Order: sequence, then C-alpha cells, then structure tokens
Amino acid sequence: KQEVTQIPAALSVPEGENLVLNCSFTDSAIYNLQWFRQDPGKGLTSLLLIQSSQREQTSGRLNASLDKSSGRSTLYIAASQPGDSATYLCAVTNYGGATNKLIFGTGTLLAVQP
Amino acid sequence: DVKVTQSSRYLVKRTGEKVFLECVQDMDHENMFWYRQDPGLGLRLIYFSYDVKMKEKGDIPEGYSVSREKKERFSLILESASTNQTSMYLCASNRRRRAVNSPLHFGNGTRLTVT
Repeated sequence: KQEVTQIPAALSVPEGENLVLNCSFTDSAIYNLQWFRQDPGKGLTSLLLIQSSQREQTSGRLNASLDKSSGRSTLYIAASQPGDSATYLCAVTNYGGATNKLIFGTGTLLAVQP
Repeated sequence: DVKVTQSSRYLVKRTGEKVFLECVQDMDHENMFWYRQDPGLGLRLIYFSYDVKMKEKGDIPEGYSVSREKKERFSLILESASTNQTSMYLCASNRRRRAVNSPLHFGNGTRLTVT
C-alpha cells in the first residue's frame, strides 16, 4: 500500500532564504507526482506536476524534482517571501487499479518570516 | 483557468439531517472527486466519478453517497448526518484522458459542522 510522507511537518524561515521541502513515497510505480499549496481554510492549488518519466519541473521560483528509484521528491523554493507561507502537500498517482486516485502526504506548514 | 465551485463555504447541520454538498466545474472534465480533510489525517477520498452516472467508492465511503447526473456537477450526500462527519469537504476534478498530464483542480472547500 502506497504511503506518502512529508518531513518536516512545519518549517519556519526568514524572508529571502532558499528552502527545500521533502516528500517520500514507498511504491515507485507511479504515474505522476503533484505538489499543491493550501492556504488556511481554502482548497488546494496545483503548483507542479511531474510525470513519472520526468526528473523535474519548474515554475517561476519553484522547482520540483523526482527520483522514482529512491521514492523521493523535493520542492525547491527560491528567495522565499512571506506570501509563500502556506501548507504544501505532495501527492502521487499509482499505476493500476483506479488510475486517477491520488495518495496525499499530510503536508509541510511553511512560515516565511518578514 | 479551471474553476471548481462548491456551493457553500460553511454549513451547520443537525444530527440526522440529510445534507447535500454541491460541486460544479467548468472545464468539461470527466473525473470528479470528493475528499474530506481532517487535522492529522490529511485528505481522504470519499467517492469519485469518471463519467456521468458512474461512481466508484474511495477509501471512506461509509455514510455518504454521490450523484452525477450531468458532467459538470457532482453532489455529495450525507444520508443522515452525524457529528463524526464534521469536517472540511473538498471537491476536485481533472481530465480522464491523458490523466498523466492532468493536474487536479480543487474547489475552495465546504466546512461542515454537525451538531
């Protein structure tokens, strides 16, 4: 059974710092991995989707990497800003069965201090 | 941009009431999902649908049912609300074809309180 883990559960950094969020998964047979952002009391916003055949995706100050063989993904945020404060979740889509079911991690709560 | 709209941001219902949560998406997506999110438990899939009138149970379907009569609309029904169904409910959608490339789009959520 696929399990997705995000460590740390919470992270606080000063504004301007570059940071890395971690996501690990136990079963490497995945279609894709997605990173989401969730603001308090709101829904999730898709940030980046990495297909299983890809190694990384970039969008602005965000860069996500995927290493299927080791079951790991990282989300790199460059030059962090207070507006980046949110919970970041990763999710994987498994091969087989209901192919569109995502399995989510429990998230990392990021606070960027001005 | 894809828009997923949930009809209510906050709902307060009494134990035993029948509750309807509505979700509409405007991008002609085949797949629609209902999740609930609870502190410490993360997001858990209740039901999903990959086409009109089609539905599949997720991980925690007990106490819930769904309806998909039109492609753009997916309803979650709590047949007899209970206090343990107090939660944040999130609707989402994406394409079925080329799903490997299709990110999941979420609504803003409905916070349901059952008293």
